[in-house]
Amino acid sequence: GNSVTQMEGPVTLSEEAFLTINCTYTATGYPSLFWYVQYPGEGLQLLLKATKADDKGSNKGFEATYRKETTSFHLEKGSVQVSDSAVYFCARYLNNAGNMLTFGGGTRLMVKP
Amino acid sequence: DTGVSQDPRHKITKRGQNVTFRCDPISEHNRLYWYRQTLGQGPEFLTYFQNEAQLEKSRLLSDRFSAERPKGSFSTLEIQRTEQGDSAMYLCASSLGQTNEQFFGPGTRLTVL
Repeated sequence: GNSVTQMEGPVTLSEEAFLTINCTYTATGYPSLFWYVQYPGEGLQLLLKATKADDKGSNKGFEATYRKETTSFHLEKGSVQVSDSAVYFCARYLNNAGNMLTFGGGTRLMVKP
Repeated sequence: DTGVSQDPRHKITKRGQNVTFRCDPISEHNRLYWYRQTLGQGPEFLTYFQNEAQLEKSRLLSDRFSAERPKGSFSTLEIQRTEQGDSAMYLCASSLGQTNEQFFGPGTRLTVL
């Protein structure tokens, strides 16, 4: 079926550590891929996206590369900050498949000073 | 503020009562989506509108749930005879045309006692 799987959290890191949050997807077509972030008490915000294979989305120091061969879209950041503490959601959008986003379960990131 | 707005932000109700939520999308966004998010999970698609037409409904949307978008602008989501299992965050999102980038509101948190 069509789904999105991401690593379970919480992920706890010290400030300036390197971050990787894994995300893999299944799809019968060519989806667009997204990372959304949800800060405490706030709504979902789009962090970055990639619409085709080998595209790299980037924003606020975060990056993710659309890997068709491994069906992955892992989120990375070289040096996290306390303000990055939030829940991160990987999502897939597939045209002509309900026009909805399919989300992973979310990964909580906690960054300690 | 020109983002997606939702009202109310919080709703506490007793089992068996009816509740109605409202979503105001970004102006001129013709697509509007409803999602449900339970604690510790990613959002799950409920339904979507293109203008005033409801084009997709998830199997999650039981017959106790009804959504409308009468004039192609704001939307309402009504839950009749609420059950404790309906307790969740109800998210609204909007997008423009064929773009796959959805903008989310802050959500309405429903608690059914």
